[in-house]
Amino acid sequence: GDSVTQMEGPVTLSEEAFLTINCTYTATGYPSLFWYVQYPGEGLQLLLKATKADDKGSNKGFEATYRKETTSFHLEKGSVQVSDSAVYFCALINTGTASKLTFGTGTRLQVTL
Amino acid sequence: DVKVTQSSRYLVKRTGEKVFLECVQDMDHENMFWYRQDPGLGLRLIYFSYDVKMKEKGDIPEGYSVSREKKERFSLILESASTNQTSMYLCASTLEAGGVDEQFFGPGTRLTVL
Repeated sequence: GDSVTQMEGPVTLSEEAFLTINCTYTATGYPSLFWYVQYPGEGLQLLLKATKADDKGSNKGFEATYRKETTSFHLEKGSVQVSDSAVYFCALINTGTASKLTFGTGTRLQVTL
Repeated sequence: DVKVTQSSRYLVKRTGEKVFLECVQDMDHENMFWYRQDPGLGLRLIYFSYDVKMKEKGDIPEGYSVSREKKERFSLILESASTNQTSMYLCASTLEAGGVDEQFFGPGTRLTVL
């Protein structure tokens, strides 16, 4: 079946540091890939998505590129802020699965001053 | 602004009680989902529904049932709550089945079963 693997957390960074959160997936066919973010005490919200190979999703300074050859969708940000502290989930929807999301386990990011 | 609301943010129940978790969306979405979120396990799909009165099992349906009598409302039912059902429960909806649209999530219900 489909699966998503993302790096264990927590990740602790100083403000303005560069962020990478690794995500790899296993899926047949041509999945669409997502990053969701969960701020403390809230539900998840979509951060960015990519629906085909070589697409780059971007939002709020975050970027991720759909790499089919390495089955990866790593999340990056050039300069993190304290307000980026949250849990980040990588996820996929595979074709023919009735829009069911398969999630990774989540990576907690803590940004300090 | 799109909205998914859940009936309670926090809930404490006793073992053996019947528990209802309610979710309402105001976006006329076809698809609705129930997940549970546990540390180290991410989100796991319990049930989903692609239309009124239609339901499909997700990855971990045991111990749960669902009801969708109206398009905007999707209820999760724990017939006889057990301590291993202590968790965060998240409801989500998306416009149509089979698409790759964004899923919109509610704020979650943290359920504790004593």
